[in-house]
Amino acid sequence: EVQLVESGGVVVQPGGSLRLSCAASGFTFDDYTLHWVRQPPGKGLEWVSLISWDGGSTFYADSVKGRFTISRDNSRNSLYLQMSSLSAEDTAVYYCAKESSSWYLGDRFDYWGQGTLVTVSS
Amino acid sequence: EIVMTQSPATLSVSPGERATLSCRASQSVGSSLAWYQQKPGQAPRLLIYGASTRATGIPARFSGSGSGTEFTLTISSLQSEDIAVYYCQQYNNWPPYTFGQGTKLEIK
Repeated sequence: EVQLVESGGVVVQPGGSLRLSCAASGFTFDDYTLHWVRQPPGKGLEWVSLISWDGGSTFYADSVKGRFTISRDNSRNSLYLQMSSLSAEDTAVYYCAKESSSWYLGDRFDYWGQGTLVTVSS
Repeated sequence: EIVMTQSPATLSVSPGERATLSCRASQSVGSSLAWYQQKPGQAPRLLIYGASTRATGIPARFSGSGSGTEFTLTISSLQSEDIAVYYCQQYNNWPPYTFGQGTKLEIK
């Protein structure tokens, strides 16, 4: 059974930094592109970032470019999102999601984690 | 960036009736269109991909159609457990992957 379990969401002050983690199991981790998607409270879904199966390609939404860094540790079956210069607009539930096709970029997301809440507030 | 626009924002349908949700892309996405269902307090769940292919375990009452810029998600006979917010997403032209703003499906 595929499982994605996010952690690391807390209350952080504006301007602060935070690292989110996503622990994966139930599939061959280093075969798949992974994403972070966020959802502000009561609002819709916003794609944040992706990293290819081997970590060689990364992409970001304009809203987080230069502030967030996505990474993965294939030896630990883990995905990360390093977040800095946080503002209230970054308050959201952050989901990790897996693409459906192996060794591929640009596919639907077939599994999602349960999400972790990041609140940016003083 | 491709903008995805969903309509209506809220849809009220009686149990057993048909629900039709629409999604429009600002430029062609071919058939690289997915639909997700999100129930309160839960993560999104993949329903449809490739515009018309049901994901594993999705009931046959859910169907998708369309290509290019116009897409439709149809629930043939609404069940109480279908109450959720539904999002379309394009994965043809990225980054960014873009989602519609969602359609909230309610029981009439």
